[in-house]
Amino acid sequence: SYDLTQPPSVSVSPGQTASIPCSGDQLGNKYTSWYQQKPGRSPVLVIYQDTKRPSGIPERFSGSNSGNTATLTISGTQAMDEADYFCQAWDSTTAVFGGGTRVTVL
Amino acid sequence: EVQLVESGGGLVQPGRSLRLSCTASGFTFDDYAMHWVRQAPGKGLEWVSGISWNSGDIDYADSVKGRFTISRDNAKNSLYLQMNSLRTEDTAFYYCAKGGGASRYSYFDSWGRGTLVTVSS
Repeated sequence: SYDLTQPPSVSVSPGQTASIPCSGDQLGNKYTSWYQQKPGRSPVLVIYQDTKRPSGIPERFSGSNSGNTATLTISGTQAMDEADYFCQAWDSTTAVFGGGTRVTVL
Repeated sequence: EVQLVESGGGLVQPGRSLRLSCTASGFTFDDYAMHWVRQAPGKGLEWVSGISWNSGDIDYADSVKGRFTISRDNAKNSLYLQMNSLRTEDTAFYYCAKGGGASRYSYFDSWGRGTLVTVSS
């Protein structure tokens, strides 16, 4: 089975940049999406097709994908960005999610 | 505005069955693939199943293959998940998610609030 690996947690100071890696075998050859989930809420799509932002998602969210690693970057992190973030890609006909990264804004 | 509303969750004994429903509004339902994604309490996301716009293509996670059946009724803007032979490890919030893009192997651009399924004796 195909695995996507994320660090369990990332800490960032307000106004600084948070980078969340997601690693998988030749992940750069697949499209990666990213989802934000706040406590008690449903996931929200923040990045799709590696680099695209859905309407309504702030410009401080950006994505990249190359080699074996996709990265979600939050520039100028705000307190409201504190949440769990999940990467996702397709392995043939199965959707795979990373284990999730909790972003803490200290 | 896209809205997805799940229903049908509850407490069920191991080995029994349950049917989840998802009612969609705010978009042309039969233009998009639809999916079920679950999340055990305090855990990560797990894709369960997906169905193409015309029900012609259906996929399942290995963990539910042979026990769960996904279906849709485009006339009713509704998605379903029939869950049989339920196990304690099926306990989770079940989310209905709309597929984005032209391919059913795409991202999930809208999610419902979820319905909780608890499998316990």
